[in-house]
Amino acid sequence: AIQMTQSPSSLSASVGDRVTITCRASQGIRHDLGWYQQRPGKAPKLLLYAASTLQSGVPSRFSGSGSGTDFTLTISSLQPEDFATYYCLQDYSYPYTFGQGTKLEIK
Amino acid sequence: QVQLQESGPGLVKPSETLSLTCSVSNGSVSSGNYYWSWFRQPPGKAPEWIGYIYQTRTTNYNPSLKSRITISVDTSKNQFSLKMNSVTASDTAFYYCARGGENGWLQWGYWGQGTLVTVSS
Repeated sequence: AIQMTQSPSSLSASVGDRVTITCRASQGIRHDLGWYQQRPGKAPKLLLYAASTLQSGVPSRFSGSGSGTDFTLTISSLQPEDFATYYCLQDYSYPYTFGQGTKLEIK
Repeated sequence: QVQLQESGPGLVKPSETLSLTCSVSNGSVSSGNYYWSWFRQPPGKAPEWIGYIYQTRTTNYNPSLKSRITISVDTSKNQFSLKMNSVTASDTAFYYCARGGENGWLQWGYWGQGTLVTVSS
């Protein structure tokens, strides 16, 4: 199975900050990657697919880049509702696998 | 927009079978190029993909669970279901159903709210 490694595992930031989360695949996955936001007690919410395509309804402050093995999720200006846990998910090959998550906390 | 809702017992005894149903509204499980899927997430851990059913008959399962699970569709009720046998405490998790395949890509844009299943005697 492809291993997805996210960093950092946790991050403290302030409203208005720009933050970047990275995800590294153990082998090349083209751009078959999605980013999800999960708030406590809620289901994951798709933010981006195909590594960089914004899901409908997701604010433009979220962006993604990368292909092959290295990917990034950037939030350009943190809003209070963005403090949550973020996961990457590869859908390149079975079994589809998530990163371990990045918990974004308020500084 | 499509809505999904999981239902099933919240408590299952070890060695028994876990059965969950996902009811779909504002969409049909028998049409479109969608991947009707199950995920699970142990409390405090990352989610895990369990498997999907595609176009009512094609299934794909996580190899780590394949010997114990079945995903099927009931088109008359517009539902799909998950059965997992021989459960143990390590199967305790939030279980989510989801639909993937939006915009020609597999990623999952619609999710149920999730249901907690505890395996305990």
